[in-house]
Amino acid sequence: QVQLQESGPGLVKPSETLSLTCTVSDGSFSSGDYYWSWIRQPAGKGLEWIGRISTSGSTNYNPSLKSRVTISVDTSKNQFSLKLSSVTAADTAVYYCTRGGGYYGFDYWGQGTLVTVSS
Amino acid sequence: QSALTQPASVSGSPGQSITVSCTGTSSDVGGYNLVSWYQQHPGKAPKLMIYEGSKRPSGVSNRFSGSKSGNTASLTISGLQAEDEADYYCCSYAGGSTFVVFGGGTKLTVL
Repeated sequence: QVQLQESGPGLVKPSETLSLTCTVSDGSFSSGDYYWSWIRQPAGKGLEWIGRISTSGSTNYNPSLKSRVTISVDTSKNQFSLKLSSVTAADTAVYYCTRGGGYYGFDYWGQGTLVTVSS
Repeated sequence: QSALTQPASVSGSPGQSITVSCTGTSSDVGGYNLVSWYQQHPGKAPKLMIYEGSKRPSGVSNRFSGSKSGNTASLTISGLQAEDEADYYCCSYAGGSTFVVFGGGTKLTVL
């Protein structure tokens, strides 16, 4: 059973950078042929795909966020990370890390972590 | 505004069947057989219910089924149960520089 766990600050100031890490409890993380994605959900609203990364480091981003997003991977730690720069209140949301790149569905999800952007 | 269009709400009585539609374009839903559906209960992470348009992951009830016609995908839930009350989201691969798009979500109420 694959388990994902998000970690990072729950409060970020406007104009600063949001940083989250997802730790994957899957021994095949570095050898598997999977994409790993970040998805967010503002309170009471729908899901928004942020971007994805393969374990080889290939990335793709949502065009609406591309200028502010960086996703990276550390296979030695079974982790992948999200950085979102120049945040505003509109970036306040529950952030989920997931397994999948959009082709075959997102089949495993973390529990989600709420990030609030406020001074 | 979401890229894929879903009805805001649907409802049905226990035992009945309901269908949730998801309308996109030839660049996403119509162009690929890569629609997935998610069930989300309040305060919980979404759960994959259907992938590749009509396939069910292991452990998902066969009361859930998916289909597609043109640019519209559909999720059908038969034999409605109280536990099916949740929000449902569709998602499609969109290729190009967009990659992934979601619907705005549909709230299912079991009467």
